[in-house]
Amino acid sequence: SQTIHQWPATLVQPVGSPLSLECTVEGTSNPNLYWYRQAAGRGLQLLFYSVGIGQISSEVPQNLSASRPQDRQFILSSKKLLLSDSGFYLCAWSPRDNSGNTIYFGEGSWLTVV
Amino acid sequence: GDSVTQMEGPVTLSEEAFLTINCTYTATGYPSLFWYVQYPGEGLQLLLKATKADDKGSNKGFEATYRKETTSFHLEKGSVQVSDSAVYFCALSHSFQKLVFGTGTRLLVSP
Repeated sequence: SQTIHQWPATLVQPVGSPLSLECTVEGTSNPNLYWYRQAAGRGLQLLFYSVGIGQISSEVPQNLSASRPQDRQFILSSKKLLLSDSGFYLCAWSPRDNSGNTIYFGEGSWLTVV
Repeated sequence: GDSVTQMEGPVTLSEEAFLTINCTYTATGYPSLFWYVQYPGEGLQLLLKATKADDKGSNKGFEATYRKETTSFHLEKGSVQVSDSAVYFCALSHSFQKLVFGTGTRLLVSP
């Protein structure tokens, strides 16, 4: 069966520090990969998605970037964190054909920028 | 663009009460519709889905029917339990599989 792992689960970082959140998917090949963010009091927002290695699409302009160095690895980064980057970050995957049109989420990472 | 509107919470109910969480959407074409649930301290889990008009998704006693004529996908459960306390997200997606979420509705069930 397929599983998705995301880490770290909790992170407290000072303003201006770098960020790296990692996500890996097991048990499938060529998945579509996603990063979502849930800010306090707001809904989920799609930040990035990827359909293949090195292929990243950004949905909203922001202080963050994403990379996909391997087929089943997706990394969310920032060079200098802002207070507004605080939130709950969710990695997700879907099958390439996705005939069932379903996306599966990781357990999430809580980021607090202080 | 596509959007999803959910009723604001929190929704507070006693155990065994009937639950309805309203969800309406705006979208071109025929998106798939979903309900996701987020239990305290956890990530999102797919609760149920419907891929075409008049389909009914169901899971764990929850149901939702895809109503094209009213662009709605309301979540219902006949008898809620304390363990159902969570945040519920309505969402839609088109063929490219990018989910558009509502803002979420927190459900609090008391014994």
